[in-house]
Amino acid sequence: QSVLTQPPSASGTPGQRVTISCSGSSSNIGSNTVNWYQQLPGTAPKLLIYSNNQRPSGVPDRFSGSKSGTSASLAISGLQSEDEADYYCAAWDDSLNGHVVFGGGTKLTVL
Amino acid sequence: QITLKESGPTLVKPTQTLTLTCTFSGFSLSTSGVGVGWIRQPPGKALEWLALIYWDDDKRYSPSLKSRLTITKDTSKNQVVLTMTNMDPVDTATYYCARHYDILTGTFDYWGQGTLVTVSS
Repeated sequence: QSVLTQPPSASGTPGQRVTISCSGSSSNIGSNTVNWYQQLPGTAPKLLIYSNNQRPSGVPDRFSGSKSGTSASLAISGLQSEDEADYYCAAWDDSLNGHVVFGGGTKLTVL
Repeated sequence: QITLKESGPTLVKPTQTLTLTCTFSGFSLSTSGVGVGWIRQPPGKALEWLALIYWDDDKRYSPSLKSRLTITKDTSKNQVVLTMTNMDPVDTATYYCARHYDILTGTFDYWGQGTLVTVSS
């Protein structure tokens, strides 16, 4: 059972806009920034969004992040076939001496 | 260019201790704000954070695994070592090391390729 809650799956057709939610609590998302990772099949995770809405160099601006209260969202616009992957949210949690928490992941299917 | 690579046994027996080494290049673990963490992923399952060590030797552990984990660093060798005691088949997973960006953020900006560890007798 992951500390951050994500829907197990999401889907969309090419060109569509898809959003993935991530729900937490006051000790993690409510008081710290949110990060998003993309994991393509058979590869290591890749940082997609950090500090709620910042994109590392090289990440297309089709990917965007937002946060409100104890929830966050990842939006992918202009969906492409190569976006089919698992997406994970993560944040720092201030409880229990401080630790990192991940969501359970969302498998995005491009139909 | 920043790279990280995990190394260690691919097979361990139940009750044994696992020792994994993360060897990195392109950054220094003596630089303020820098950390290296370990994250694992059982086959077909989600990512699970394990431990993190900072440039100042501050160490953080997963609350659920804290009693079994030890993380150390050798700055001169650009290595971080994770030990996990009393291994069990449920610990079978791909273990990743990653550079932690900024302090207390959960932001891992560079990842190793991962190493699959199987726990079986």
